[in-house]
Amino acid sequence: AQSVTQPDIHITVSEGASLELRCNYSYGATPYLFWYVQSPGQGLQLLLKYFSGDTLVQGIKGFEAEFKRSQSSFNLRKPSVHWSDAAEYFCAVVPYNTDKLIFGTGTRLQVFP
Amino acid sequence: EADIYQTPRYLVIGTGKKITLECSQTMGHDKMYWYQQDPGMELHLIHYSYGVNSTEKGDLSSESTVSRIRTEHFPLTLESARPSHTSQYLCASSEFTGGRWDTQYFGPGTRLTVL
Repeated sequence: AQSVTQPDIHITVSEGASLELRCNYSYGATPYLFWYVQSPGQGLQLLLKYFSGDTLVQGIKGFEAEFKRSQSSFNLRKPSVHWSDAAEYFCAVVPYNTDKLIFGTGTRLQVFP
Repeated sequence: EADIYQTPRYLVIGTGKKITLECSQTMGHDKMYWYQQDPGMELHLIHYSYGVNSTEKGDLSSESTVSRIRTEHFPLTLESARPSHTSQYLCASSEFTGGRWDTQYFGPGTRLTVL
């Protein structure tokens, strides 16, 4: 079945440590790819997106993501996490030839001082 | 500054009341959406609109209704609120570029509690 998978439900890191959040999709043609962040009680904020071109995408707040076609992945990374990065992170795709945004189930990031 | 707004941010109301959740955007987007987000954090599309006088049902069946009389305004109404309607409701809008609707931008959400 076509889907977006975020294998890690909950991740805990220490402040200053590096971070990688995983996202895999199972659609035939390359979809549009997004990462959103949601702080408690807030809406979703767009971190970055990939449509085509350079497979390493820079986003806001020091985040980047790399599209790997061979692995059907779009993992989010940050070299040094700050306590304010604690939030829920959602990977999402717009499959090719559609206009529907499909969300993963989210990864909750906890940051320890 | 172009943005998307939702009011109220929080609403606690008794069973049987009629409520309207407001959503407005100043980004000039034609397409707008309503999502319901349960405590487990998964988002479900309940309504969307391609433009004025267009409304469509989403993937998750909902007893709510929507209207689109103006491009910038997409209110959601519950005629008779029930405890099962307790949830967070997120409004979004998207731009149309390169022949596709793509990036969705979200409002801050309305957290609804029905007692």
